[in-house]
Amino acid sequence: AQKITQTQPGMFVQEKEAVTLDCTYDTSDQSYGLFWYKQPSSGEMIFLIYQGSYDEQNATEGRYSLNFQKARKSANLVISASQLGDSAMYFCAMREIYNQGGKLIFGQGTELSVKP
Amino acid sequence: GAVVSQHPSWVICKSGTSVKIECRSLDFQATTMFWYRQFPKQSLMLMATSNEGSKATYEQGVEKDKFLINHASLTLSTLTVTSAHPEDSSFYICSAIIHEQYFGPGTRLTVT
Repeated sequence: AQKITQTQPGMFVQEKEAVTLDCTYDTSDQSYGLFWYKQPSSGEMIFLIYQGSYDEQNATEGRYSLNFQKARKSANLVISASQLGDSAMYFCAMREIYNQGGKLIFGQGTELSVKP
Repeated sequence: GAVVSQHPSWVICKSGTSVKIECRSLDFQATTMFWYRQFPKQSLMLMATSNEGSKATYEQGVEKDKFLINHASLTLSTLTVTSAHPEDSSFYICSAIIHEQYFGPGTRLTVT
């Protein structure tokens, strides 16, 4: 069974600094996708970045980058130049491509607080 | 990007009553939708996969008779919480797949 683990319940970062949110996963599938979502206090799920298991390069989207280490089964999110608006819950998620019908399984989440 | 809506955005109901939550894909057709439940400060837990024209697939531990899911059309899935109790109070989020997964804004249910 697939599993996603986020070991940091809460993180603090100073405004304008970079922060890394950890995510490890476990799957027996060869084809899978890894996602990061941001959830502000309003509750909406905001898609940030995606990494496919066969992608050779780390995904980047603006200030977000995904440090994908396949052998270690980790997919850490790096946020550069943190902003106050980055304060939110962050969830790592995985989807097995051929099994599980495409459903997303989420990690426990990390609450990020950006300090001015 | 694709838009998924939910209605209502929040609802308060009395214990023992039933409440229906709608999830609509506004600008695309979705053969598959997912229903998640989220308690405060916790993660999203998948409840069930809703398939248009067929029965929903429930995750282990989710009561099928309590959480009724109907996916009657390619743009609408409904979740009915039957005989609601205070422990059913939660944030319910749906999502739909068209290549990627798009989430609705969520429905906050409070059972008094």
